[in-house]
Amino acid sequence: SQQGEEDPQALSIQEGENATMNCSYKTSINNLQWYRQNSGRGLVHLILIRSNEREKHSGRLRVTLDTSKKSSSLLITASRAADTASYFCATVGPRRALTFGSGTRLQVQP
Amino acid sequence: DTAVSQTPKYLVTQMGNDKSIKCEQNLGHDTMYWYKQDSKKFLKIMFSYNNKELIINETVPNRFSPKSPDKAHLNLHINSLELGDSAVYFCASSQVGGGALGEQFFGPGTRLTVL
Repeated sequence: SQQGEEDPQALSIQEGENATMNCSYKTSINNLQWYRQNSGRGLVHLILIRSNEREKHSGRLRVTLDTSKKSSSLLITASRAADTASYFCATVGPRRALTFGSGTRLQVQP
Repeated sequence: DTAVSQTPKYLVTQMGNDKSIKCEQNLGHDTMYWYKQDSKKFLKIMFSYNNKELIINETVPNRFSPKSPDKAHLNLHINSLELGDSAVYFCASSQVGGGALGEQFFGPGTRLTVL
């Protein structure tokens, strides 16, 4: 199965700054999703963008999707220490299972 | 609270033992999954059940046997545990029927350590 790549692998910023994470995938998709994983916890769904959408917003999150480049980005604006977590993109395969990217570890310094 | 729950949260055992991990969801979802997260945080699908029927079995050794007694439960039994089975195992659920696009809800994970 395909595996997406995320870039950067790790990101450290100061509170109030914006954080941008990128994701690439290999096959055609119905939608792309972003999940957050706090240390030692399960994954939490953040946002879903359909293949016919180019941009989507949810609170401080902004997701873009470029299907021609098979890539997506997640922007977190005005970051907070509580945003410290690992962020994963995931695509939905033909049988509804998620295929995850390698993840970006975000550290927001207070 | 509505949620996906897993037990146990931590499992430490010796090589060669047999162990089970239980998962329950009270979200009314019709599809449940098991994922494995390795030490590098890479997540991979293992199994998927839809209405108690096995949908996905992703090249997992047959020492791993999922069991779904009903739509709300998906248990994972592992025979003859090996060192390489050490990982965090996540259960998840989603509602696939009705055109849902696949948002999944995850349990807190079970950290399995094989000594």
